[in-house]
Amino acid sequence: DSGVTQTPKHLITATGQRVTLRCSPRSGDLSVYWYQQSLDQGLQFLIQYYNGEERAKGNILERFSAQQFPDLHSELNLSSLELGDSALYFCASSVAPTRRGSEQFFGPGTRLTVL
Amino acid sequence: DAKTTQPPSMDCAEGRAANLPCNHSTISGNEYVYWYRQIHSQGPQYIIHGLKNNETNEMASLIITEDRKSSTLILPHATLRDTAVYYCIVYGNKLVFGAGTILRVKS
Repeated sequence: DSGVTQTPKHLITATGQRVTLRCSPRSGDLSVYWYQQSLDQGLQFLIQYYNGEERAKGNILERFSAQQFPDLHSELNLSSLELGDSALYFCASSVAPTRRGSEQFFGPGTRLTVL
Repeated sequence: DAKTTQPPSMDCAEGRAANLPCNHSTISGNEYVYWYRQIHSQGPQYIIHGLKNNETNEMASLIITEDRKSSTLILPHATLRDTAVYYCIVYGNKLVFGAGTILRVKS
């Protein structure tokens, strides 16, 4: 158990819909990261937040957005869903980002299926 | 971010050392090498990281060549539970996961 929790575990929805994935970081971790893992794209970094502010952006679509709240939990919002958005979505947390990086602890993931 | 090259798959006998190579010839002087693994569809798990010195922890050892263009992750006594995809990552300002190496530990 990494200490990172993600809800829900599974989500099934239809194209065009909007969903929210939730992540609670490990106690004491200030930084939260979101990743998407699909069969054809592998594990892709989406976005990072540090203490409530966006820190780094990866291959995140404009239909996707995220935020980190004052209690440090984070939400990833996916809208206008397409079949290709079906994937595992992981959240990770770390103490603080540094130049050398830091050990990231990953949650168990949310499996999103878009029908 | 510096690119890494890993063999797509490797086999290892249970109880033997597993040596997983990684090439990162374009690594910059201040970039760290990180190793993670992913067991089936679980979240990736941090293993170890290093800059230029060899590193060891309770899970593994990391050997980085003097020119830093390659590294080897060593699992000293592989068990069946070490069967996973192992990712070698050069840390720029984010973790960029490649295809990794599928390690199969066989009894």
